[in-house]
Amino acid sequence: EAGVTQFPSHSVIEKGQTVTLRCDPISGHDNLYWYRRVMGKEIKFLLHFVKESKQDESGMPNNRFLAERTGGTYSTLKVQPAELEDSGVYFCASSQGPGSGANVLTFGAGSRLTVL
Amino acid sequence: QQQVKQSPQSLIVQKGGIPIINCAYENTAFDYFPWYQQFPGKGPALLIAIRPDVSEKKEGRFTISFNKSAKQFSLHIMDSQPGDSATYFCAASKDSNSGYALNFGKGTSLLVTP
Repeated sequence: EAGVTQFPSHSVIEKGQTVTLRCDPISGHDNLYWYRRVMGKEIKFLLHFVKESKQDESGMPNNRFLAERTGGTYSTLKVQPAELEDSGVYFCASSQGPGSGANVLTFGAGSRLTVL
Repeated sequence: QQQVKQSPQSLIVQKGGIPIINCAYENTAFDYFPWYQQFPGKGPALLIAIRPDVSEKKEGRFTISFNKSAKQFSLHIMDSQPGDSATYFCAASKDSNSGYALNFGKGTSLLVTP
């Protein structure tokens, strides 16, 4: 079974530019999450999709962040315009639909974003 | 406001030792407590999880101890090996059949020396 795939693995951009991160979850997983870890801090929740719907976006820092999951498959997270404090590792995770597996998250390797 | 507090930040033990990582939470609505293990360049991977109906859970060399009244839980690694060197994250959330956001601790960097 293929795992959760994230692209790019590392992105370096200048303040004010736009970056789009992509996540391909495990096939058939209804739940898709975005998390972010700033160096030395905890892994922080950003948002949760159930299929194509946003179930919880309470962790999104501000309106410079836009997440989509068209068709309920892959997801993108766009940061526009990027600020210095957006630097960090962005993790995507997925889990099965309703049932005992919904809480078992499989994480991708992360996309490291550096904003200069 | 950090929902889950984890300590220590880093830990060095000799092979065969028993590292212990502690976590504490405030939200009494939390009822699912997983531990994740992360190796460099990889994403966190689920190691073991516990729900509050039991006070201890063992899987291989990994044991979670859970104290509901103190709102604390800890990870013990028995007979630790150099291959256990990794960053460990505790987390907590509401248990839900439809998924729920995890609240993570800051992580503990564990080094097991030969």
